[in-house]
Amino acid sequence: AQSVTQPDIHITVSEGASLELRCNYSYGATPYLFWYVQSPGQGLQLLLKYFSGDTLVQGIKGFEAEFKRSQSSFNLRKPSVHWSDAAEYFCAVGATGGGNKLTFGTGTQLKVEL
Amino acid sequence: DAGITQSPRHKVTETGTPVTLRCHQTENHRYMYWYRQDPGHGLRLIHYSYGVKDTDKGEVSDGYSVSRSKTEDFLLTLESATSSQTSVYFCAISESVMVLAGGNNEQFFGPGTRLTVL
Repeated sequence: AQSVTQPDIHITVSEGASLELRCNYSYGATPYLFWYVQSPGQGLQLLLKYFSGDTLVQGIKGFEAEFKRSQSSFNLRKPSVHWSDAAEYFCAVGATGGGNKLTFGTGTQLKVEL
Repeated sequence: DAGITQSPRHKVTETGTPVTLRCHQTENHRYMYWYRQDPGHGLRLIHYSYGVKDTDKGEVSDGYSVSRSKTEDFLLTLESATSSQTSVYFCAISESVMVLAGGNNEQFFGPGTRLTVL
């Protein structure tokens, strides 16, 4: 069975500082990997996704993520955080068959200090 | 934004009553999903559909049933609501699962339904 671990429940960074959110996955084959962001009271918005090819993926809002097969990781990064990035971030792994059912991590709540 | 609506957006009900949540899409996407979101658990898949009248169970399907009689509507029913089903419910849609064939398997999420079972 597939699983996702986001080890950091809460992270606080200062505006303008760099950010890295960690994600480790477990899946028996090459996974589909996603990062979603959720603002308070809202649905989820896709930041970026990885299926194959270049292991450094660029997304929206200046985010990027790097797939490292040897570490089973897909960490999300941003060079300079803006106050509007405060939200909850979810990493998810999708099965390559069987309806693309997503398994989500428990989320990381990001707080940005001004 | 993908055309996904959920109704109702908020509902308070009592234990033992039936509840139906509706997800409606205007994108003509084949795949539809119901998730629940709870603190400390992220989102967990309840049921999904891969076509009209074609559905399958997810990770936390006990106590829930679904139906899809039209491409655009996916209904989630709690036959007899319990307090453990208090949650925020999200519907999602996806055009395809065949990425290698050039399909887009991104899931687009609706705004959610907050359900409280007293």
